[in-house]
Amino acid sequence: EVQLVQSGAEVKKPGESLKISCKGSGYSFTSYWIGWVRQMPGKGLEWMGIIYPGDSDTRYSPSFQGQVTISADKSISTAYLQWSSLKASDTAMYYCVRRITILDLIDYWGQGTLVTVSS
Amino acid sequence: QPVLTQSSSASASLGSSVKLTCTLSSGHSSYIIAWHQQQPGKAPRYLMKLEGSGSYNKGSGVPDRFSGSSSGADRYLTISNLQSEDEADYYCETWDSNTSGVFGTGTKVTVL
Repeated sequence: EVQLVQSGAEVKKPGESLKISCKGSGYSFTSYWIGWVRQMPGKGLEWMGIIYPGDSDTRYSPSFQGQVTISADKSISTAYLQWSSLKASDTAMYYCVRRITILDLIDYWGQGTLVTVSS
Repeated sequence: QPVLTQSSSASASLGSSVKLTCTLSSGHSSYIIAWHQQQPGKAPRYLMKLEGSGSYNKGSGVPDRFSGSSSGADRYLTISNLQSEDEADYYCETWDSNTSGVFGTGTKVTVL
């Protein structure tokens, strides 16, 4: 069974750094793309970026380029989304997703990680 | 860059049918889309991939009540025999060369 299991909820202060994770199982982690999707409170879905764990090829949506870093450790089948300096506006639910190819569409979702940034 | 247009809301009675529309922007009418369901307080769930031909492939465990169809730039999701658990937000998604992906704004389905 394909599963994407994300790390738990986080509460941080503005200016702090954060790295959340997404562990894939039930499939060949290095053969599929992992993406990240943001959902701000009460809002819709926004595509952030995507990585191919096989060779770490990474693409970012222009809105998120320079704001976050996406990475992966294929040895432990885990992808990451990180911030170096959080802002209150980063408060949102973050989902990792799987794609068969970069030209394909999402076929699995993680359960989500809630990030709250508040002073 | 493709834009996906969805109506904000739809409603139908328990046991009836509802048809949701996702419209692709000009120049992108041949694109394949996916439909995703987000029940209140839950993560989204992949429902199906839908081609311009109307051919679709559903995800594992998706009930037969969910079906897809297409006409030109419009992609449809039909939910038959509407159940209370179908009350959710429904998003369409497609591929984009600049962002790697784009979503529609979502349609909130209410079961009366």
